[in-house]
Formats: sequence, structure tokens, C-alpha cells
Amino acid sequence: DTGVSQNPRHKITKRGQNVTFRCDPISEHNRLYWYRQTLGQGPEFLTYFQNEAQLEKSRLLSDRFSAERPKGSFSTLEIQRTEQGDSAMYLCASSHTPYPQETQYFGPGTRLLVL
Amino acid sequence: GESVGLHLPTLSVQEGDNSIINCAYSNSASDYFIWYKQESGKGPQFIIDIRSNMDKRQGQRVTVLLNKTVKHLSLQIAATQPGDSAVYFCAETPYSGAGSYQLTFGKGTKLSVIP
Repeated sequence: DTGVSQNPRHKITKRGQNVTFRCDPISEHNRLYWYRQTLGQGPEFLTYFQNEAQLEKSRLLSDRFSAERPKGSFSTLEIQRTEQGDSAMYLCASSHTPYPQETQYFGPGTRLLVL
Repeated sequence: GESVGLHLPTLSVQEGDNSIINCAYSNSASDYFIWYKQESGKGPQFIIDIRSNMDKRQGQRVTVLLNKTVKHLSLQIAATQPGDSAVYFCAETPYSGAGSYQLTFGKGTKLSVIP
């Protein structure tokens, strides 16, 4: 499978714990995006990388959230001191520049439940 | 604020009929529009896209229409099949060098196909 992959697919944690998610983009895609989706809503943008540089962050990305893409390939999203409001599906997408290959392709997501 | 929204939250169609899913957007700077299909427990799947310099684009069984005058986007699915049952999202972004590549999603329309 050459699509975007995410691990783990599901995560249950207790409030206050730290969690880390991993995203492997489509090979050679230089842009990688993180979104969050709550039940019944569309995905909301969190942040994106071009290669290893984090170029844009949403206001949704509080100080407890940190994302990295150290070698310009896979990315990790860490949430520290989780809160119940962090419960959501975390989606990763990737795209390839330049135009017109800018379509963002999504992974299956990591569903987080904070108890 | 700027937003992308959908006219109808649910749509039920008979198998074999055509489906039309509508979407309104308010950001006049929107340059690129995408329709995604999301099945339960999965990430959004790319269906078709269209740029603001076009008013119609066709794919396999799907057609996207863009009316920039009234800021309206629609997705037409021909000969709807049970496998088309899912939530459909429209998304937009001000590409073309505006500096932001984040997608703004609407809430989604749930399409149910009646066998």
C-alpha cells in the first residue's frame, strides 16, 4: 500500500498522560499536514510541513501540542497532558508540489479517546 | 468569518438515481476546491477537484460544478451505487501563492443509498 499510513489507529489514554502519533506520507510527497476531526464535523487544520520545516500552525495547536518532521519524511504529533477535549480523530495528509499536484491525500487517522 | 458550508446535512437516494450534493463557500479568495468522501472510521478520500478558473470538471461518474458568482459548488454522482454511501465534504483553499495551504472543510453531507 503506497498511501498515507498512520499509527496507531486507536489510542485510549487517561487524562494527563502524553501521547504520540506517527504519520508516514506518500513517498516523495514534500508537504505533510495534520488535521483534527471531531464527531459530525469536518477536519480542522492544525499544522503543515514542507520537507522538515513547519511553516504554518493553527490557533488550535495549543502549547501542549507539538509536531515534528525531523528528516522530511515521517512526522510525529505529540499531545502532552491530555485533556478530555483532545478526544478526536487525528488525520494526516500529504501532497506533492509543484502545481498541479497539490491534492492532499489523507491517511486513515488515529482515533484518540481521553478518559 | 470565512467558512465553507453545506445546504443539506443528509441525502437519501434510490440506487441508480443521480445524486447532487451542494456546498456554499464565503471566502472570495478561494482558488481551489476539493470534494472528499469519508466512510465510517476512515480518512477522507479524494474524489475530484476544481480550480477557480474552471466552472465544470468531470471524472468517472462524478461531476463538479463551480459557480463563482454565487459562491456555490456542487457534486453530481451519476447512477448512485450502495458503495457511494458515505459523508461527503467540500473543502477549499486559497492556493495560487496566497501562502496558506490549509484546507477549510464544511460539516459534510451524509449520502444514504437505498437499494
